[in-house]
Amino acid sequence: EPEVTQTPSHQVTQMGQEVILRCVPISNHLYFYWYRQILGQKVEFLVSFYNNEISEKSEIFDDQFSVERPDGSNFTLKIRSTKLEDSAMYFCASRWGETQYFGPGTRLLVL
Amino acid sequence: GENVEQHPSTLSVQEGDSAVIKCTYSDSASNYFPWYKQELGKRPQLIIDIRSNVGEKKDQRIAVTLNKTAKHFSLHITETQPEDSAVYFCAASDPGTASKLTFGTGTRLQVTL
Repeated sequence: EPEVTQTPSHQVTQMGQEVILRCVPISNHLYFYWYRQILGQKVEFLVSFYNNEISEKSEIFDDQFSVERPDGSNFTLKIRSTKLEDSAMYFCASRWGETQYFGPGTRLLVL
Repeated sequence: GENVEQHPSTLSVQEGDSAVIKCTYSDSASNYFPWYKQELGKRPQLIIDIRSNVGEKKDQRIAVTLNKTAKHFSLHITETQPEDSAVYFCAASDPGTASKLTFGTGTRLQVTL
């Protein structure tokens, strides 16, 4: 069964550094999402992406964040200048019909 | 925007007993309600979902009920087993193109022997 994949599984970075989180959605899915989960808290929506553009974004998704689909398979989340509060698990998801399938996540730690 | 409340935050049951987790939502336009199971350090896994035109859905030991008028939905797990121990999240999806999921705060279910 196809799954969403994400790399890296863990990322440690210094405050102020740029990070790029990568995702490969399930082939043939057209809608892609990024969510984050701060340790012990609920999953929060960041951004949705369809037809090569952002379809919706949350208040969390400020100017420090950007998303891109650089080729036919990858979907990336970039954080330009990381802050301590960006430390979280970041999940990518892709959607078929109404069902969203989540990747295994990237645990980001900002020091 | 949508707001999803979930109760209880923790639930401990004995193996073989039933577990019920309840959620309420605020946006009457929401029309899709999935439940995800998340084991420690793992991705959320969809276990069951329900659409707003259906009142109840069952899949083996798991069932979900939806009351659109009251804007609440519940997850029922019968004959619980130790492997059911996990955090369970309810979610609601808006009917727009983005169909983003708004999650509840999660319920940590522990099934004891």
